[in-house]
This record gives sequence, structure tokens and C-alpha cells, in this order.
Amino acid sequence: KNEVEQSPQNLTAQEGEFITINCSYSVGISALHWLQQHPGGGIVSLFMLSSGKKKHGRLIATINIQEKHSSLHITASHPRDSAVYICAVRGETSGSRLTFGEGTQLTVNP
Amino acid sequence: ETGVTQTPRHLVMGMTNKKSLKCEQHLGHNAMYWYKQSAKKPLELMFVYSLEERVENNSVPSRFSPECPNSSHLFLHLHTLQPEDSALYLCASSPHTGSEQYFGPGTRLTVT
Repeated sequence: KNEVEQSPQNLTAQEGEFITINCSYSVGISALHWLQQHPGGGIVSLFMLSSGKKKHGRLIATINIQEKHSSLHITASHPRDSAVYICAVRGETSGSRLTFGEGTQLTVNP
Repeated sequence: ETGVTQTPRHLVMGMTNKKSLKCEQHLGHNAMYWYKQSAKKPLELMFVYSLEERVENNSVPSRFSPECPNSSHLFLHLHTLQPEDSALYLCASSPHTGSEQYFGPGTRLTVT
């Protein structure tokens, strides 16, 4: 079992829908990252958070340290949001090492 | 553009070839990373360099040899690879280990 579990694995939505992607982890962490990977491979860091909530444009990331759970929300989704969204955690004792989830493939249809 | 570039973007090599992947960052960061992303698998950390010193080697076979000549450049030297080494190889950098990482576009490697 992976230390980082994401759900769903695949998600298809209509343009304008509110989207939630979930991430659960099993170890104590110092930080959690949400990443976006477009076709072709390039990865962009969306958020790094260790508590509470962060917002950037239409994206919101929340984390509950006690429940070892994080969510990534996309409001007013758009076809250009179609990508793989990856959750990664830095363990409390893992130094620079990030452990990655398998990713959630999001497709937003017009 | 994240400020991290990788060359080549695509590489096809035979099992007996020797090739190198190059990563360059223009962000003034002190830490650089190599990751491997195989189909249907999570990203795997391969190597971490901090101030040009290797600080992490994640049990990577010796046919992968990293080199960090300065804090802006990172290489991955490849020799006698296997077909299962075919993957996307991603480079990243960060201001220091433990901070937010900036990823390059990756090199798509195919070993025939």
C-alpha cells in the first residue's frame, strides 16, 4: 500500500463544475505538495502547505493534519484544467525526500 | 517556464549506448533533484544534490551516474541501460532541500 493515496484515479467533469481531488497519507509529515502535470510531462507546483488552507485563483488546497488528509478544489473548472494532479508529502524524518501519490487524471469537457 | 531546462527532450538509445541527460536551472537554487516517472507509477526520487554534494541516493542502479559540477547544472550519465529504464526523467530544483521544488519539462527516454 502506497504511503500516499489519491482519489479518484480518474475524473471527468463538465466545464464549470466544482471539482475535488482527495489525498490521504499514512505518515507524519512536515509538508504536503499539490502538483499539476500536463500531457508532455512538465510538472508545475501548485501549492505547498503544512496546515490550514491556501487559495490561488480558482484553486484551493486544504489540509487536516489530524486526519492526515488533504483536498484540492477547482472552482468553475475549464478544459485547460485537464491534467494529472499529483499529491506528494515530505515525511517528518525523510529529509528532502518527497513521496508521491499515483496522480488523478482530470478531464474537463467543454 | 519554470526556470529549469532539460535537454534533450526525447532520447532513444540502444542498450549498449552511453548518453547523458542535462538539467540547468536559472533560479539561483542550491538543491537539485533527479526523478524517474514510469508509466502508471508514482514519481520516484533518484538523487538529491545540495550545494553540489550528493545528499541522497535512493538505491539507484549504477548504470545511472549523476554529476553536479556546480549548483546550476546537473547531469545524469546513462550506460548499458535496460528496456525497463524507459521512462520520463524529471529534474527539479529548490532554494534548499525541504523547500518548494521547481520541475523541468523532462526527458522522455526510450531504451531499445
